[in-house]
Amino acid sequence: EAQVTQNPRYLITVTGKKLTVTCSQNMNHEYMSWYRQDPGLGLRQIYYSMNVEVTDKGDVPEGYKVSRKEKRNFPLILESPSPNQTSLYFCASSLSSNYGYTFGSGTRLTVV
Amino acid sequence: GDSVTQMEGPVTLSEEAFLTINCTYTATGYPSLFWYVQYPGEGLQLLLKATKADDKGSNKGFEATYRKETTSFHLEKGSVQVSDSAVYFCALTSGNTGKLIFGQGTTLQVKP
Repeated sequence: EAQVTQNPRYLITVTGKKLTVTCSQNMNHEYMSWYRQDPGLGLRQIYYSMNVEVTDKGDVPEGYKVSRKEKRNFPLILESPSPNQTSLYFCASSLSSNYGYTFGSGTRLTVV
Repeated sequence: GDSVTQMEGPVTLSEEAFLTINCTYTATGYPSLFWYVQYPGEGLQLLLKATKADDKGSNKGFEATYRKETTSFHLEKGSVQVSDSAVYFCALTSGNTGKLIFGQGTTLQVKP
């Protein structure tokens, strides 16, 4: 089944403890992206990647890192999480810029 | 910069009513336009898309037409069902970065 897989689905962590949210797609898509969804603020892009080893900042990149060492994986790294990073995170991938993105099921992160 | 504006929600309709959710956009160049749907507790799903002026996207009884002259991409459905209750997002991508820009989302509630 063609899909974007995120893990974990739910995570509660403490301030400052490094964490990684994994994202993998099995559709050979070039484009991948991370979004966070917050009430009243909608969906905001964190980082995106147009190809392997090509990544760029979105609208809210502060406090996050990404890497794209291989086409299928695009992990989101929080080096020192803070409570303002409590949010619902979505990974997405697309074949091209106008193909339409496939989204993962989301990761609900709580930082205490 | 590029942006998407959707009508404010929530929208509450009775089953079998006609649905319109307005969406207008601002973009340089020639964006591709999308409607995504998010059911409670789930990720976003691509509902339909249009990649050039006058294209009509359609899926599951929903339709939207890319109107360049009015910079609009309104979502319509002739007869809504309770199962259509969800949050609907209008979005665009412009250029080759693949960046997906979302509207703020419109909550639709359909009552039996």
